[in-house]
Amino acid sequence: KNEVEQSPQNLTAQEGEFITINCSYSVGISALHWLQQHPGGGIVSLFMLSSGKKKHGRLIATINIQEKHSSLHITASHPRDSAVYICAVDRGSTLGRLYFGRGTQLTVWP
Amino acid sequence: ETGVTQTPRHLVMGMTNKKSLKCEQHLGHNAMYWYKQSAKKPLELMFVYNFKEQTENNSVPSRFSPECPNSSHLFLHLHTLQPEDSALYLCASSQVPGQGTRGTEAFFGQGTRLTVV
Repeated sequence: KNEVEQSPQNLTAQEGEFITINCSYSVGISALHWLQQHPGGGIVSLFMLSSGKKKHGRLIATINIQEKHSSLHITASHPRDSAVYICAVDRGSTLGRLYFGRGTQLTVWP
Repeated sequence: ETGVTQTPRHLVMGMTNKKSLKCEQHLGHNAMYWYKQSAKKPLELMFVYNFKEQTENNSVPSRFSPECPNSSHLFLHLHTLQPEDSALYLCASSQVPGQGTRGTEAFFGQGTRLTVV
């Protein structure tokens, strides 16, 4: 069983809809990362958080340490948000290695 | 532009070939990583280079050989690969925490799409 589980695996939405992607983890962590991967393959870091909530434009990330759960929200979704969203956790090793979820494929239709 | 550059972007190689993937980071980070991404699977860590402490080899076959000549450059040398090694290979860098410092987010390159024929 993977230490990091994401849901849903696939998500389709109409432009303008509110999107939520969930991430649950089963290990102690020092930080949780949300990443975005476009079809070309490159990965961009969206958020790194260890408590509470962060907001960047239309993206909001929350984390509940006690429940070992994080959510990524996209408000007013747009076709350019179509990508794979990946949750990853840092278990606090001095090597900085990350443990990844399988990703959520988001498709937003105009 | 993430500050991490990988070359080549695409590579097709035969099973008897020898090739190398290159990664360069311009962020002053102290750790660099090779990850493998196969279809329908989570990213898998292959190698870590941390310039303060140690490296990690995550049980990777010897046909993959990393080289880290300095803190800005990382190579992955490939030889006698198998078709199942076809995947996206991603390089990343980060600043791992030291005494009195906080770790940073990871920055990824665009990846090399490798096809072994």
